[in-house]
Parts: sequence; structure tokens; C-alpha cells
Amino acid sequence: DAGITQSPRHKVTETGTPVTLRCHQTENHRYMYWYRQDPGHGLRLIHYSYGVKDTDKGEVSDGYSVSRSKTEDFLLTLESATSSQTSVYFCATGTGGYGYTFGSGTRLTVV
Amino acid sequence: DQQVKQNSPSLSVQEGRISILNCDYTNSMFDYFLWYKKYPAEGPTFLISISSIKDKNEDGRFTVFLNKSAKHLSLHIVPSQPGDSAVYFCAASNFGNEKLTFGTGTRLTIIP
Repeated sequence: DAGITQSPRHKVTETGTPVTLRCHQTENHRYMYWYRQDPGHGLRLIHYSYGVKDTDKGEVSDGYSVSRSKTEDFLLTLESATSSQTSVYFCATGTGGYGYTFGSGTRLTVV
Repeated sequence: DQQVKQNSPSLSVQEGRISILNCDYTNSMFDYFLWYKKYPAEGPTFLISISSIKDKNEDGRFTVFLNKSAKHLSLHIVPSQPGDSAVYFCAASNFGNEKLTFGTGTRLTIIP
């Protein structure tokens, strides 16, 4: 069974609609992260969590919110999707000293 | 402000030759560095890492070199194989901070 599962894998949504991406882990890891990957920008941290109900902002958090009500689930919500949020989103678990394990990603297109 | 930079967006190398990917950083507090490899439609996977107390770490065909005075690290792949074609990201962190800061990535293409 995969350690990190992201859903959906692909999504097309309209500008202005709310979107929620889900990350589920089976590793019981304390730390979880959401990154977005864009050409020319690499991987940029959106939000991260260091435990249930403990979250904090990353470098590109505007327009995004997160929730973590259970250790295994970390949700990323776009409150009102914009075209600039078209991207590939990756969830990860791990620590800086040992590295991360990433999910397979969600490709989101906002039209 | 990009704290971790990979100045070469792409690199092409003949199969069997050495591939050298470079990464520069600006934050002198970084003390742990990693390289990730990413295939299309997959998440990045860990490749190799190095602590700031070392200047070299080797794992099979992959070697990472760290030059702290120059704030520069490099990944050497020798010999290069077609399966090495991927995007490579360098990343850095500092002790007590669990967040990784990633570079912009270098697309490596191995030419048969």
C-alpha cells in the first residue's frame, strides 16, 4: 500500500470555485507539507503541519488554507481558484534532516 | 528571494559520460543538503544527501560534493545511463527546521 496517496490525481475547475486536495499518509508521520511545482520556480512550500491542528504558512500561502484533523490526512483548500493556481501540487511527509517522501502529485487546471 | 539556485535549467550528456549538476545556496545556516530526482507524472524521490560536516558523499554511481566556502554543491553521475534522464532538484535545510528549501530544478537528458 502506498505511503502517501493524493487525490484527485487530475482536476479541472473553473475560476472562482473552491477546490480541496487531499493527502493521506499511512506512515504516521508528524510532519506533512504541501508544495507546488511550476516551471522556473521548482518546488515551493505552500503550507506545512507539525501535528494535528498545528499548521503554518510557507512561502506561497496566499489563496490557500489547510486543515489537519487527523494525523493521516492533510487537506489543501483553494478558497476561490484563480488561473495562477494552475499547477502540480505535491504532498510530502518527513523531516529536513532525513528528507521527504512525496506523493505522486495532483495536476490542477483552473480555467 | 531564491535561497537555493540551480542555474542550468537543462543539461544533455552522452550515455556513459559523466553528468555534473550544480546548485548554489545563499543561506549560510543551511547544514543539510539533498538531491531529488523526478520523473514525469511522479513525485520526487530522494537520491542522495550530505551533511555540512562532510565535503563528499558517495552512493554507487552518484556522488555529491559540498564546498561550504563557495556555498556550492554538485551532483556527479558516472557513468550516465538513459534511466538517469529526469529533473533533478537540490534542497537544503538547517538544524531544527524541518522545512526543505528546493532549487528550481535541472532537466537532465542522457543521449544514447
